[in-house]
Amino acid sequence: GQNIDQPTEMTATEGAIVQINCTYQTSGFNGLFWYQQHAGEAPTFLSYNVLDGLEEKGRFSSFLSRSKGYSYLLLKELQMKDSASYLCAVMDSNYQLIWGAGTKLIIKP
Amino acid sequence: ETGVTQTPRHLVMGMTNKKSLKCEQHLGHNAMYWYKQSAKKPLELMFVYSLEERVENNSVPSRFSPECPNSSHLFLHLHTLQPEDSALYLCASSRGLGEAYEQYFGPGTRLTVT
Repeated sequence: GQNIDQPTEMTATEGAIVQINCTYQTSGFNGLFWYQQHAGEAPTFLSYNVLDGLEEKGRFSSFLSRSKGYSYLLLKELQMKDSASYLCAVMDSNYQLIWGAGTKLIIKP
Repeated sequence: ETGVTQTPRHLVMGMTNKKSLKCEQHLGHNAMYWYKQSAKKPLELMFVYSLEERVENNSVPSRFSPECPNSSHLFLHLHTLQPEDSALYLCASSRGLGEAYEQYFGPGTRLTVT
């Protein structure tokens, strides 16, 4: 079966760095997406990785290792507005997105 | 503002009611999706439309009936729902299918079935 695993909840301090991990087992692979979802709002696209390595976008970076079925989202210089759920999703061989349950990130002052 | 709007934002309905959810995208996309989001569960894909044709129906009960009259609008018709159908229903769109296009989501309709 297809499976995406990510931690249910994480807590971090304002100004610090946090890494949210995602492991996956899917039928084929056409890339991995990270989305951010604030409570009561729409998920919004953060990043897309299809090749191994690190993609950096301002305070956010995303890493992929296809051989390990593993990705992480790295958030630097945390701000209170980063409190949200972070969703990992893998596009399978049929170009269908398989979603993780999301990681709720709580930022404390 | 993602370019995808949904109405209503909140809906409470009894099990014998009939209601419809509406989604509109202003992005010129060709593919539209309905998802169900329940607490602490992954997003569940319900239906996919490409150029107004349904291409995916993931074993969704017949009490949910989608309609896509054109590439900008998507509806989800609801009838005789069950309490376990209470969830956030998200609409999304993408440029197309068959490529790794990102999906743009609406804010969702919070549905409560009493």
